[in-house]
Amino acid sequence: RKEVEQDPGPFNVPEGATVAFNCTYSNSASQSFFWYRQDCRKEPKLLMSVYSSGNEDGRFTAQLNRASQYISLLIRDSKLSDSATYLCVVYTGKLIFGQGTTLQVKP
Amino acid sequence: DVKVTQSSRYLVKRTGEKVFLECVQDMDHENMFWYRQDPGLGLRLIYFSYDVKMKEKGDIPEGYSVSREKKERFSLILESASTNQTSMYLCASSSLSGRQDNEQFFGPGTRLTVL
Repeated sequence: RKEVEQDPGPFNVPEGATVAFNCTYSNSASQSFFWYRQDCRKEPKLLMSVYSSGNEDGRFTAQLNRASQYISLLIRDSKLSDSATYLCVVYTGKLIFGQGTTLQVKP
Repeated sequence: DVKVTQSSRYLVKRTGEKVFLECVQDMDHENMFWYRQDPGLGLRLIYFSYDVKMKEKGDIPEGYSVSREKKERFSLILESASTNQTSMYLCASSSLSGRQDNEQFFGPGTRLTVL
């Protein structure tokens, strides 16, 4: 079993839709959680950290469920510019990257 | 603005060649990392460094070595390139020496093809 698992997608959604990605992790002692965004043929960039209480940044909401060992990313009112691969990242003494979930937002 | 640069965007080498990938960061970061990214496997850590002349193995160090002679520069060396080392190589840096969970800033990547 992979330490961090994501559905690779692609998720194809129309503009304005709400879309959610989940990511599961296997190590219950994981300490920190992040979402990185990677545009096509570009480098990953930090999108947001995920806090125990959940956190929101504009149209993006990240949540952590320690009991079920997953984190989620919700994107509201999708824009064409949201098309990218979203990498789930878990810190367990070292950073473990998921393989990413690809989002395609269509006009 | 943090900037991480890598010496080449695309590189084609032959099996058995020695390959050098260079990475430079301009934000005085203590930590530097080398990853490779392959479809379906995500980013995997090859080596990292918390300080000058210091290096630690990541998850897949076999066939690679690194050098950090100056704080801003971290080099990845493929001693004898093989076809299974064809991949996208990403360098990253972050602050707070010894902590991997601080934000990592990535370079644009080097796509290496070994023939």
